[in-house]
Amino acid sequence: EAAVTQSPRSKVAVTGGKVTLSCHQTNNHDYMYWYRQDTGHGLRLIHYSYVADSTEKGDIPDGYKASRPSQENFSLILELASLSQTAVYFCASSEGQGAYEQYFGPGTRLTVL
Amino acid sequence: TQTVSQSDAHVTVFEGDSVELRCNYSYGGSIYLSWYIQHHGRGLQFLLKYYSGNPVVQGVNGFEAEFSKSDSSFHLRKASVHWSDSAVYFCAVSARNNNAPRFGAGTKLTVKP
Repeated sequence: EAAVTQSPRSKVAVTGGKVTLSCHQTNNHDYMYWYRQDTGHGLRLIHYSYVADSTEKGDIPDGYKASRPSQENFSLILELASLSQTAVYFCASSEGQGAYEQYFGPGTRLTVL
Repeated sequence: TQTVSQSDAHVTVFEGDSVELRCNYSYGGSIYLSWYIQHHGRGLQFLLKYYSGNPVVQGVNGFEAEFSKSDSSFHLRKASVHWSDSAVYFCAVSARNNNAPRFGAGTKLTVKP
């Protein structure tokens, strides 16, 4: 069964601090994604990647960096965390884009104080 | 870039009722459409998708959705809901030129006993 795991599951960070959210998939999928979820906004795409060592910007990339060191791992980095980045972050993977379904991780609840 | 609109933030029905959750999209080209379900505190799970052929597609647990090109819609329906169907439902759209899926804001379905 497809599996996407995220760590940590929750985190409290201070404003201005650095935060790294990690995602690991065992699906052998090429595509990986980071979304954030806020009440009333649904899921918004931050970054995605279709191959190791390459990342693409999504719709709201400002304030976030992404890293794909291997096919299995995809990290989201907040160099200077801000209050507005408090949200739930979801990682997903898919075999391809378009018609391919996405497999989501359980999410990371980030609170920036 | 494609956009997705889910006009109802909340829908409340009684067990055994039928339900329709609305999804409208905006994009000038060919697309793929999907529905996902999110139970409280969990990641999203795939329900069903449409990419060509019969505009009515069947998904898991008795859900179905109908694509309408003229209305730019992909509404989700279920003939008789169960309390376990209470969740947030997301519509997603992917352009056929292979870009990442975009999600609507979600509709929270509450099924009362």
